[in-house]
Amino acid sequence: AQKITQTQPGMFVQEKEAVTLDCTYDTSDPSYGLFWYKQPSSGEMIFLIYQGSYDQQNATEGRYSLNFQKARKSANLVISASQLGDSAMYFCAMRGDNAGGTSYGKLTFGQGTILTVHP
Amino acid sequence: DGGITQSPKYLFRKEGQNVTLSCEQNLNHDAMYWYRQDPGQGLRLIYYSQIVNDFQKGDIAEGYSVSREKKESFPLTVTSAQKNPTAFYLCASRKGGLAGGNPSYNEQFFGPGTRLTVL
Repeated sequence: AQKITQTQPGMFVQEKEAVTLDCTYDTSDPSYGLFWYKQPSSGEMIFLIYQGSYDQQNATEGRYSLNFQKARKSANLVISASQLGDSAMYFCAMRGDNAGGTSYGKLTFGQGTILTVHP
Repeated sequence: DGGITQSPKYLFRKEGQNVTLSCEQNLNHDAMYWYRQDPGQGLRLIYYSQIVNDFQKGDIAEGYSVSREKKESFPLTVTSAQKNPTAFYLCASRKGGLAGGNPSYNEQFFGPGTRLTVL
């Protein structure tokens, strides 16, 4: 079984500063993917960044970077130079990539972190 | 434009009635998913389908049913057996499969969601 834990119900950050959103996970799958999604108040889910369990380097996508520490089973999202439009709910998710495994292709989500960016 | 559409955006249902939520995608994706989101919570998987004419139960399938007669469509029926159906329902699709021996990230693309309220 897979489990995602996001321990920060809410975070506040000043505009233009960096913020780290925490995510820890647990899985028995040897191969898996980690995702971050953003959900604004409109409800849509916006894909931000992906990290594969065998990737040697941390993923980066523009202002988003994923601090992947496999031994600690953590996949924290770092948002640099925060903008007012970054205010939203952020979800960490995991997908099993072991074909034939019970978690294959299925996303398991954490509870989310509400990020508020102050001007 | 390619994407996922869900209809209706808002849906009201009387207790004891079945209701069907529509999900259509023109991305030529193989896999489709239904999630439920309760206020302030993460997404929970209801049903998913990796291929036409096949689907599997997710974590909270009781009181729901699906069909996958066409690749583009994955309707969800909320039956009267679902005791607490008021929630936000999100449909997603994914290209599916692995690429080149390493898992392709093939992120899930989400529709805009349907807010179901039971009166």
